[in-house]
Amino acid sequence: LAKTTQPISMDSYEGQEVNITCSHNNIATNDYITWYQQFPSQGPRFIIQGYKTKVTNEVASLFIPADRKSSTLSLPRVSLSDTAVYYCLVGDYGGATNKLIFGTGTLLAVQP
Amino acid sequence: DVKVTQSSRYLVKRTGEKVFLECVQDMDHENMFWYRQDPGLGLRLIYFSYDVKMKEKGDIPEGYSVSREKKERFSLILESASTNQTSMYLCASSFQGRADTQYFGPGTRLTVL
Repeated sequence: LAKTTQPISMDSYEGQEVNITCSHNNIATNDYITWYQQFPSQGPRFIIQGYKTKVTNEVASLFIPADRKSSTLSLPRVSLSDTAVYYCLVGDYGGATNKLIFGTGTLLAVQP
Repeated sequence: DVKVTQSSRYLVKRTGEKVFLECVQDMDHENMFWYRQDPGLGLRLIYFSYDVKMKEKGDIPEGYSVSREKKERFSLILESASTNQTSMYLCASSFQGRADTQYFGPGTRLTVL
């Protein structure tokens, strides 16, 4: 399983775009990149997944360069309610891997 | 709407007690998981199950056991609770082959005195 590295914490202000980068130098060919969000006192919630290039949904965008050794979660115009821990995970979940490995995540603090 | 429910939000037990944590999902998912979450350590997988009566150890199974008698229900058992098992316990479920998309319950904060 590829190990991921992401910043421990980030600060932002309401209305700003926030980009959280995750490094996964040992990503394998069959691995997907998945991001989860966790609010205080709640379980994590799946927000976005990608394999290469760019993926966008109603919550976020995910940018993956050609070498796939990193990825960037982009949150447009954050609000106070986006304060949460964001986890980056890498794995081949359709194949041999059948479990998620969570790191310590990035604590995003959004201020007014 | 996918729903994963856990039997208690908060639980206080004494050292040596047997503790049952129950998890129920209503999406007919094959996979179910138990994690614990501690400050600075992130989420760590205790056990997971990919079918009724089937289970596999996760990264930290010591001191825990699990039971899955029905597809929708996955129980975590602490045979003899210890203070180092004080933690937030999270249950999750997913479709087979889609462990990348897990649905989590609200968690149970267990305190062992």
